[in-house]
Amino acid sequence: GAVVSQHPSRVICKSGTSVKIECRSLDFQATTMFWYRQFPKKSLMLMATSNEGSKATYEQGVEKDKFLINHASLTLSTLTVTSAHPEDSSFYICSARDLAGAQETQYFGPGTRLLVL
Amino acid sequence: GQQLNQSPQSMFIQEGEDVSMNCTSSSIFNTWLWYKQDPGEGPVLLIALYKAGELTSNGRLTAQFGITRKDSFLNISASIPSDVGIYFCAGLPSNAGGTSYGKLTFGQGTILTVHP
Repeated sequence: GAVVSQHPSRVICKSGTSVKIECRSLDFQATTMFWYRQFPKKSLMLMATSNEGSKATYEQGVEKDKFLINHASLTLSTLTVTSAHPEDSSFYICSARDLAGAQETQYFGPGTRLLVL
Repeated sequence: GQQLNQSPQSMFIQEGEDVSMNCTSSSIFNTWLWYKQDPGEGPVLLIALYKAGELTSNGRLTAQFGITRKDSFLNISASIPSDVGIYFCAGLPSNAGGTSYGKLTFGQGTILTVHP
């Protein structure tokens, strides 16, 4: 199946610093990618929709100035957690829409574990 | 946001047993996707369903897209220890545009434990 990568897989940062997470679709082009946050043993919580060449759309309650999203190419979206605080510690996962052919599916990256000290 | 009703929430079974889990919704979906997530990893796509009534297999896994387009089930036959994980169903609305375009609606997940 299609492959989506994320980098880094784990990151530890100090409170107040910014962290950038990359999401790449490796063998298909993705005009739309999604960013999720997941708490232990819970389902995925959609944070925002990343659209290539246009602004991201954020879910209700997600601060767009804190979670900056850039989708500069058809294979790369980045999520930057600005001025990170300990409550931002979480598992962040991206997914990419594969619209090849007439059937749509979505593939997830392996996730990024963020720990803010 | 909306969630699919996925059941059971957890299952404890013996190796070799068959497993069945399902998802229901009050809304119609055009696509049903089943994922498995291992601890510390992202969800991995198991089966994708695109037509009402469709029955699709992937090895020991079988999934069906309900006729009403409001439900789907996943069966795992002859379970093995590596089947342990969290299984999620996800539905995709029609490609009719709107704010829900392309957004997955997830079930709460089924935590599967397989005892050797």
